[in-house]
Amino acid sequence: KQEVTQIPAALSVPEGENLVLNCSFTDSAIYNLQWFRQDPGKGLTSLLLIQSSQREQTSGRLNASLDKSSGRSTLYIAASQPGDSATYLCAGSGGGADGLTFGKGTHLIIQP
Amino acid sequence: GAGVSQSPRYKVAKRGQDVALRCDPISGHVSLFWYQQALGQGPEFLTYFQNEAQLDKSGLPSDRFFAERPEGSVSTLKIQRTQQEDSAVYLCASRSGRVGEQYFGPGTRLTVT
Repeated sequence: KQEVTQIPAALSVPEGENLVLNCSFTDSAIYNLQWFRQDPGKGLTSLLLIQSSQREQTSGRLNASLDKSSGRSTLYIAASQPGDSATYLCAGSGGGADGLTFGKGTHLIIQP
Repeated sequence: GAGVSQSPRYKVAKRGQDVALRCDPISGHVSLFWYQQALGQGPEFLTYFQNEAQLDKSGLPSDRFFAERPEGSVSTLKIQRTQQEDSAVYLCASRSGRVGEQYFGPGTRLTVT
């Protein structure tokens, strides 16, 4: 069964810093890897999807990479802003399952 | 275009009551998923539909949980004889095809008292 771990569980940094969020998974047969943000009391907003044949995706200040051999994905946020404060979740699908397996998330606070 | 919508947004039920949660996926999306999110945790997969066919219900925690999507669009998650441990946010997601990005609704927060 796929297990997803996110480190750190919480992170607080000053505005303007570049930062990296980490995600590791146990089953290298992962098919898609998707990063989300979740604001308090809200649903999930999809940030980036890395498909099986891809190694990274970029959207604006965000860059996500996927290394299936090591079972890791990273989300890089450049020039962080207070509006980036949220919980970031990574999730993978694969191993015969269509549903996503989620980590517990990284709670990110960007200090103005 | 409209995203995934869910209703009600909040539901309070007394232990033992039955509840029904509704999901309206993005128009034309073939795949639909239900997830359960406990406080401070990531969502956990409950069940998956492709059109009207329920292809995976391995995540449903007990036979009190039942989901349907009779016409391949709107879906309902029903919980019978609710228990306190059912208190959670129930999230619905849809996907345009058999693979790709999942888009989530705002969720229904269920509180069982």
